[in-house]
Amino acid sequence: AQKVTQAQTEISVVEKEDVTLDCVYETRDTTYYLFWYKQPPSGELVFLIRRNSFDEQNEISGRYSWNFQKSTSSFNFTITASQVVDSAVYFCALEAGAQKLVFGQGTRLTINP
Amino acid sequence: DTEVTQTPKHLVMGMTNKKSLKCEQHMGHRAMYWYKQKAKKPPELMFVYSYEKLSINESVPSRFSPECPNSSLLNLHLHALQPEDSALYLCASSQDIPPRTRGYTFGSGTRLTVV
Repeated sequence: AQKVTQAQTEISVVEKEDVTLDCVYETRDTTYYLFWYKQPPSGELVFLIRRNSFDEQNEISGRYSWNFQKSTSSFNFTITASQVVDSAVYFCALEAGAQKLVFGQGTRLTINP
Repeated sequence: DTEVTQTPKHLVMGMTNKKSLKCEQHMGHRAMYWYKQKAKKPPELMFVYSYEKLSINESVPSRFSPECPNSSLLNLHLHALQPEDSALYLCASSQDIPPRTRGYTFGSGTRLTVV
């Protein structure tokens, strides 16, 4: 069975601090895709990144970076120099096999000015 | 502007009403999805349509009836809902086959309240 665990339910930091959101996944499939989505209060799920199981390169996009480690089944997300606009719920998700995204419980991130 | 458009944004309906949620995309995606998201919970898959055919039904009660009239449109017909069906209903679309470079594109959702 596929499972995603986001152990941090809520995180609150002061603006400009760095923050890391943890994601641990479980799957028996050798081919799978991992995603991060941002959900602001408006409700829309905003795509941030997709990684396939064969690509362990870390990625940086502006203030965002992702660390994918198959050895520990983790796909962590770091925001550098956080800003108030980063406040949202962040979901890590796994797709393996069928066209079904399995989401973690989400981490509510609050950036305080 | 989101590339997946959902209407209405908000809906309040009684338990005896019949209503429909609408989703539209013009990205040429051939797979479309309905997800249900309860407050402070992650989205959960309800239905998947691939090439306008229902391919996945996650054991959803029959009071929810999906329809895919064409490759750009996805409807969710609602009838005799219960208050516990109140939730955010999200529509998504994707390329049908890998690589799904951009993943799944979600709409802003319809906030449904059943009274």
